[in-house]
Amino acid sequence: EVQLVESGGALVKPGGSLRLSCAASGFSFTSYSMNWVRQAPGKGLEWVSSVSGSGSYKYYADSLKGRFTISRDNAKKSLYLQMDSLRADDTAVYYCARAEVAGTSYLDYWGQGTLVTVSS
Amino acid sequence: EIVLTQSPGTLSLSPGERATLSCRASLSVSASYLAWYQQKPGQAPRLLIYGASNRATGIPDRFSGSGSGTDFTLTISRLEPEDFAVYYCQQYGSSPGTFGQGTKLEIK
Repeated sequence: EVQLVESGGALVKPGGSLRLSCAASGFSFTSYSMNWVRQAPGKGLEWVSSVSGSGSYKYYADSLKGRFTISRDNAKKSLYLQMDSLRADDTAVYYCARAEVAGTSYLDYWGQGTLVTVSS
Repeated sequence: EIVLTQSPGTLSLSPGERATLSCRASLSVSASYLAWYQQKPGQAPRLLIYGASNRATGIPDRFSGSGSGTDFTLTISRLEPEDFAVYYCQQYGSSPGTFGQGTKLEIK
């Protein structure tokens, strides 16, 4: 069974940093690209970032302007999102999701999400 | 980027009825790279349809997708109580992949 479990969400002050993690199991981790998608409270879905199965190719939403960094550790079957210079509008539930292709693809499995709140 | 507009914003129907949800793209979606997701309150989205018309693993055949170019449709042939949720379309033919704003399907 495919499982994706996010962690690391927290309350953080504007300008602060946070690192999210996603632990994967039940599939060949290196065979899939992994994504982060976020959802602000009461709002729709927004794709954030994607990384290829090898970790060599990374893609980001233009709106992030270099503040976020995606990475993965294939030995640990884990995905990460380093978020810096956080702003109030980064407040959202962050989901990790699996895809067959890096960059842009449909997302066939999702984790349950982790809440990031940016507030003073 | 491609903007997806979903209509209606809210659809009120009764169990057993047929639901038709629309997703319109601002530019043609290449190779019909369009997906549909279902999201229930407090839950993660679930993939229903990819490639405009292909059901994902385990999705009941009452869900069907159609369309091409800029106009796509998700049809639920006979609504079950568990189908009342928010539905999102996503295009992944052009980078960045983008989502529609969602259609809420509520019980009438």
